[in-house]
Amino acid sequence: GQQLNQSPQSMFIQEGEDVSMNCTSSSIFNTWLWYKQDPGEGPVLLIALYKAGELTSNGRLTAQFGITRKDSFLNISASIPSDVGIYFCAGRYGNKLVFGAGTILRVKS
Amino acid sequence: DAGITQSPRYKITETGRQVTLMCHQTWSHSYMFWYRQDLGHGLRLIYYSAAADITDKGEVPDGYVVSRSKTENFPLTLESATRSQTSVYFCASSVPRDGEAMNTEAFFGQGTRLTVV
Repeated sequence: GQQLNQSPQSMFIQEGEDVSMNCTSSSIFNTWLWYKQDPGEGPVLLIALYKAGELTSNGRLTAQFGITRKDSFLNISASIPSDVGIYFCAGRYGNKLVFGAGTILRVKS
Repeated sequence: DAGITQSPRYKITETGRQVTLMCHQTWSHSYMFWYRQDLGHGLRLIYYSAAADITDKGEVPDGYVVSRSKTENFPLTLESATRSQTSVYFCASSVPRDGEAMNTEAFFGQGTRLTVV
């Protein structure tokens, strides 16, 4: 079945630094989504991407849908302590979403 | 705006017992999903439903049963719980984006942490 490879698995960065994470797959997806999950909560949608090459921003977050439709990246600029959590990418195929294993982000204040 | 709610939030049960996890959404979204979250695996789809009385298997359906008699409810039943079903379960719902037939973004509940002992 479709699989997403999300990297890095975890990051420990200094407050104020920029962060980058990405997802790749051998399969083509029609939609890429990025979610954030806080401890004890469900994932919350951050950014949705619908077209190859699309670049979308949401505040300090920027995400891109790869031209090949097999990858996507998420950038967080000027990280702050509340950015900690687990970030998931998800790709849509048909009516279903497949998720990456997540990137754990820890921020040093 | 209640959104999507799951109950219970926490459950401990014994091996072999039947357990039902509840999911209720107030948006009238057509699609609903059940995922399980385990370390190292991210979120894996168990079952999903495109509408009332329409359900289909996901990636890891074995040992689970779902039903959808009403649009707003999508219960997940473990017929005979096993230790391998210890996990955090998330329900989600979504609606087709304008102009598209397929569902897109999924909105998640807060999860049910199930422990099978």
